[in-house]
Amino acid sequence: AQSVTQLDSHVSVSEGTPVLLRCNYSSSYSPSLFWYVQHPNKGLQLLLKYTSAATLVKGINGFEAEFKKSETSFHLTKPSAHMSDAAEYFCVVSDPAGTYKYIFGTGTRLKVLA
Amino acid sequence: DAGITQSPRHKVTETGTPVTLRCHQTENHRYMYWYRQDPGHGLRLIHYSYGVKDTDKGEVSDGYSVSRSKTEDFLLTLESATSSQTSVYFCAISDRTGTLGNEQFFGPGTRLTVL
Repeated sequence: AQSVTQLDSHVSVSEGTPVLLRCNYSSSYSPSLFWYVQHPNKGLQLLLKYTSAATLVKGINGFEAEFKKSETSFHLTKPSAHMSDAAEYFCVVSDPAGTYKYIFGTGTRLKVLA
Repeated sequence: DAGITQSPRHKVTETGTPVTLRCHQTENHRYMYWYRQDPGHGLRLIHYSYGVKDTDKGEVSDGYSVSRSKTEDFLLTLESATSSQTSVYFCAISDRTGTLGNEQFFGPGTRLTVL
């Protein structure tokens, strides 16, 4: 069975400082992994995805994530936070050869302080 | 943006009434999903469809039914709405082909309030 754990429900950073949002997964297969962002009262937008082509994945708006199989992690980072990054972030795992389901983490709400 | 619309966008209804939410896509994607989003729970899968007339239950399917008679439309019905079904509902689509990296695209959401 697949599962996703987002280790922090809330993260606060100051503008201009690095962002780290943590995600651990469990999967019996080689997983697909995704990060989505949701701004207040909006839908979900794809930030980046892991496709096994490279372990370091670059996404939109300066975000990156590194796939570490040995640690079963897919943490999201950004070198310098911007006020517009304040949002909720979801880590998602899916099994490409299985039941067509995507499993969502419970989300991390990022607050950016001026 | 992927062509996904949801209707209505907002709805207030009373306990015990039937409610139908519609998801419409113009992408011709095979897979469609209904989720509900509640604080502290992330997104939870209600039902999904892997083709016309082919649907299956998700983790929170009790009290919900779905239908998909055309590729582009996926309907979610609450047969008799309860206050516990007050939530934000998202439709998603994907075009999974068994390869890695097939992401989902999401609609704008429907905010449902059951009084």
